[in-house]
Amino acid sequence: DAGVTQSPTHLIKTRGQQVTLRCSPKSGHDTVSWYQQALGQGPQFIFQYYEEEERQRGNFPDRFSGHQFPNYSSELNVNALLLGDSALYLCASSSDGFYEQYFGPGTRLTVT
Amino acid sequence: AQSVTQLGSHVSVSEGALVLLRCNYSSSVPPYLFWYVQYPNQGLQLLLKYTTGATLVKGINGFEAEFKKSETSFHLTKPSAHMSDAAEYFCAVSRNSGGYQKVTFGTGTKLQVIP
Repeated sequence: DAGVTQSPTHLIKTRGQQVTLRCSPKSGHDTVSWYQQALGQGPQFIFQYYEEEERQRGNFPDRFSGHQFPNYSSELNVNALLLGDSALYLCASSSDGFYEQYFGPGTRLTVT
Repeated sequence: AQSVTQLGSHVSVSEGALVLLRCNYSSSVPPYLFWYVQYPNQGLQLLLKYTTGATLVKGINGFEAEFKKSETSFHLTKPSAHMSDAAEYFCAVSRNSGGYQKVTFGTGTKLQVIP
């Protein structure tokens, strides 16, 4: 079992650009959540996808959007990047109705 | 609403000494509680969880935590620290919100183990 995988590992972008991050959930999981972890902070919930729909969202602007595919993998898109978007982006998967989440290794995004 | 407070952003212990990382939560309904560990440049790994039942929960790597409802606490302990325990630890609370689990993390505690 490969667990939760994320790509890319690291990414450097310029202010104003757009970025797409990818996540494959653990085998058997159908729910994907995305978190932003700024340096020295705990993870902040961005949104959660289930059955290809966003069903929960944290306090993040519309610049943050996502998608879930029929195979349960997911993408996080961020438009009009700001310096403050620099962070570790974590993907977590779970089975619907269950509280235990499994985290991927994260994507380190640096905005210059 | 729910929140998590981790007392002490940095904790240092000697190798072999007791590890105690503090976590207090607030939640309007009975919560599920978690401790995660994060090693540098890695994702979060679940150490242990409390859902229902026994209030003393044992996890991986010799860690355990006790749910104390009266104190709204879920402190993490390990009798004897090992060098490999040096990492950042996050407490999290989860509750059912509109049929979904809503998870809130604390700000983390960095554990330093001194040889």
